[in-house]
Amino acid sequence: DAGVIQSPRHEVTEMGQEVTLRCKPISGHNSLFWYRQTMMRGLELLIYFNNNVPIDDSGMPEDRFSAKMPNASFSTLKIQPSEPRDSAVYFCASSLGSRANTGELFFGEGSRLTVL
Amino acid sequence: AQSVTQLGSHVSVSEGALVLLRCNYSSSVPPYLFWYVQYPNQGLQLLLKYTTGATLVKGINGFEAEFKKSETSFHLTKPSAHMSDAAEYFCAVTRMDSSYKLIFGSGTRLLVRP
Repeated sequence: DAGVIQSPRHEVTEMGQEVTLRCKPISGHNSLFWYRQTMMRGLELLIYFNNNVPIDDSGMPEDRFSAKMPNASFSTLKIQPSEPRDSAVYFCASSLGSRANTGELFFGEGSRLTVL
Repeated sequence: AQSVTQLGSHVSVSEGALVLLRCNYSSSVPPYLFWYVQYPNQGLQLLLKYTTGATLVKGINGFEAEFKKSETSFHLTKPSAHMSDAAEYFCAVTRMDSSYKLIFGSGTRLLVRP
């Protein structure tokens, strides 16, 4: 079975450019999460979707960040314009159900973003 | 607010030795607790979880953890380390009433010496 698929795996871009990260959750999962991982701040939840609807975006750093989930099988995280401090590994995760305690989060392999 | 503290950013053990990774939590309501493992250049993978019931929880790859309410701890152990256990381990907590939101600890990198 395919797991959570993220693309690109690596992205190097220059400050000011737009970055789009993509995620395909596991088929049948109805919850999707975007996390950011950095050495300084560890793992941070950016946004949580349930049944394609954004439920909690309180972790989105600022207006430069936006996320969409147009259907159950696809989500994007966009940064425009990008800045060097956005350099991080961005993880997408999905789960069955809206409650983390009743299931597990399945993580993708991450998208490593470097902004020069 | 909930939080998780992992003591020791790096733990080094010899192959065959006991593995002990420490996790303490803070929660005003009964917590749900998790351990995840991250191998290099991969995403996180669930090792085990505690929600209710038995306080000693067994997970994959021979790991187990014990929920101790009196000590607010959920330490991860394995009797005998293998080289393949070298990875980063994250403790996480959530709560029943906002259960989608996992709060992760800062992680502990386990090094296994031959």
